[in-house]
Amino acid sequence: AQSVTQPDIHITVSEGASLELRCNYSYGATPYLFWYVQSPGQGLQLLLKYFSGDTLVQGIKGFEAEFKRSQSSFNLRKPSVHWSDAAEYFCAVRNNDMRFGAGTRLTVKP
Amino acid sequence: NAGVTQTPKFRILKIGQSMTLQCTQDMNHNYMYWYRQDPGMGLKLIYYSVGAGITDKGEVPNGYNVSRSTTEDFPLRLELAAPSQTSVYFCASSNRAEKNTEAFFGQGTRLTVV
Repeated sequence: AQSVTQPDIHITVSEGASLELRCNYSYGATPYLFWYVQSPGQGLQLLLKYFSGDTLVQGIKGFEAEFKRSQSSFNLRKPSVHWSDAAEYFCAVRNNDMRFGAGTRLTVKP
Repeated sequence: NAGVTQTPKFRILKIGQSMTLQCTQDMNHNYMYWYRQDPGMGLKLIYYSVGAGITDKGEVPNGYNVSRSTTEDFPLRLELAAPSQTSVYFCASSNRAEKNTEAFFGQGTRLTVV
């Protein structure tokens, strides 16, 4: 079965700084990959997704992610973080089922 | 636009009691999922369904049961509640026809077993 690893449990960045959240996946075929964000007490909102084509995908709120097959990675990036980006971020891979990583909690310092 | 609706939003159960978490979606999605979320553990897949009448186990199915008699509904049953089932439960759905289509989530059910 496919699996997802998010190596960083918690990341703290200063407002205005750049951000990269790591995601590694294990899957035999072409993966379908997603990044979701969850604010405290809320459900999950899709940031972006990849299934084929251009390996750099753009999402909402200024986020982007790059698919690298050779590294089995799908890292999420943002050039300049805003205080409102503080949340938990989840990477997911889908076949028939859909598996999530353990999440990375982002704290933004003023 | 209702999307995925979960009821109840909150529930407290005593050990050994049973309950059903309801989930319904109005997007005509074939795929539906149940997850539980525990602090620091991300979302763990309990059960999923690829269509009416078809269900399959996920990562953590023990202590739960599901059924899928209609496209719209995917209830999750806890027969003998245990403290280890204290968690936040999320239901989600997606479109089978397009694997790239993301899962849409309900707002969650916070369950406490005491």
